[in-house]
This record gives sequence, C-alpha cells and structure tokens, in this order.
Amino acid sequence: EVQLLESGGGLVQPGGSLRLSCAASGFTFTTYAMTWVRQAPGKGLEWVSTITGSRGGYSTHFADFVKGRFTISRDNPQNTVYLQMNSLRAEDMAVYFCAKEGDYTQLGVNAFDIWGQGTMVTVSS
Amino acid sequence: EIVLTQSPATLSLSPGERVTLSCRASQSVITYLAWYQQKPGQAPRLLIYDASNRATGIPARFSGSGSGTDFTLTISSLEPEDFAFYYCQQRRDWPITFGQGTRLEIK
Repeated sequence: EVQLLESGGGLVQPGGSLRLSCAASGFTFTTYAMTWVRQAPGKGLEWVSTITGSRGGYSTHFADFVKGRFTISRDNPQNTVYLQMNSLRAEDMAVYFCAKEGDYTQLGVNAFDIWGQGTMVTVSS
Repeated sequence: EIVLTQSPATLSLSPGERVTLSCRASQSVITYLAWYQQKPGQAPRLLIYDASNRATGIPARFSGSGSGTDFTLTISSLEPEDFAFYYCQQRRDWPITFGQGTRLEIK
C-alpha cells in the first residue's frame, strides 16, 4: 500500500525552527517528485515546496513566501522527505501535508495522487 | 504567478442534482490542471488530472473538461458523500498554484 506519514509538527515560538518529515512506503521513492502543501485553519490549500525525483534531477522549488526560510531535502535510502522551516512566523501556522506526484506523464511535476494525513504547525508565543 | 479563480465560492444543491464547478486561470495552463476534493479534517483527494483524466478509483460521475484558461468539473448526479470542498491546481508553471476553492453544501 502506498503511504505517506508526516511527523515533526508542534508548537514553536515566532522566529523558531521546526523540521517536518514525511516517511514514504509502497512505491519507488527516488522516481517521484515530493511536495509540501499547507492549509491554514479555515483556509484553502497553498503550495509550499517541491523536490523533484530522479527524472528532474532532484531540483527544488519554493513559494516566494518561504524562500530563504525553508529548505526541502530528501533521503532516498530512507524514503523520507524533509521540510526544514526556519524563522517561523504566525502566518506559517497551518497543517502541512506531504504529497507524491502521480505517474502520469514525463512533463513537469504531475498532479498529487497520494497525500499524507498532515501535521500541524502552531507558531505562537 | 498563475492565479486560479474558482466559482462559485459556495454552491447549495440536493443529492441527485448535476453540478458544474468552474476554474479560470489568469493565463493559459494548456491542460495542466487538476481537481481535488477535500472533506473537513481529511487530506485532499485527487479527482482529475491534466484537465480530463479521472484518477484511480474515482467514480465515473466525476468528469473534467477545458483547456487554456477555462476549466470545469462536473458531477453528473450528486451523492451524499460528494458534499465537500473542491480545489483546482495548475502545474503549467512555477509556482504551483491552487484555486481558492468551492464549497459544495447540501441544500
């Protein structure tokens, strides 16, 4: 069974740091782009960051609002993708979902066919 | 940045009715558009990828169409479990963007 399991969320003070993890299973991890999407309480979905798979050379992409503060990485032998979040702000408070791209085309990053259950990040003093 | 505008924001309908949701892009996304369904407290679920392709396990009552800047998601006959939030998402260019969502509620 294809599965994603996020962890690492919690309460952090403004200016603090957290590292989110997403453990993948049930598929050939190295092949696929992995993405973080967040959802603030009562709000819509917001793309945060993507790291491509072997086809894309493991390139990284970030939303403007996290550039310079967040980094994304992957440990292929451990089938895990990480989101390192520094200089956290109140507006970063959200549920963070990890998502896997689908196996549809060879063009760009495909739509996200598998999602984790999410991990909550609370930024408050 | 490609902005996706979904309409309407909220739709109130009854089971059995047919519904069409709209997603308009600020510039062409060709057919690189997906639709997701999300229920409260749950992760999103992929319904349609690349404008018109149903994802694995998605019932045939869901269909997508469109190209360029105008896209629609149609549910041919609403089931009780279809009342949820729906989001479109483009992958034509970075940054990946989502629409603001449409809430489909029971009338």
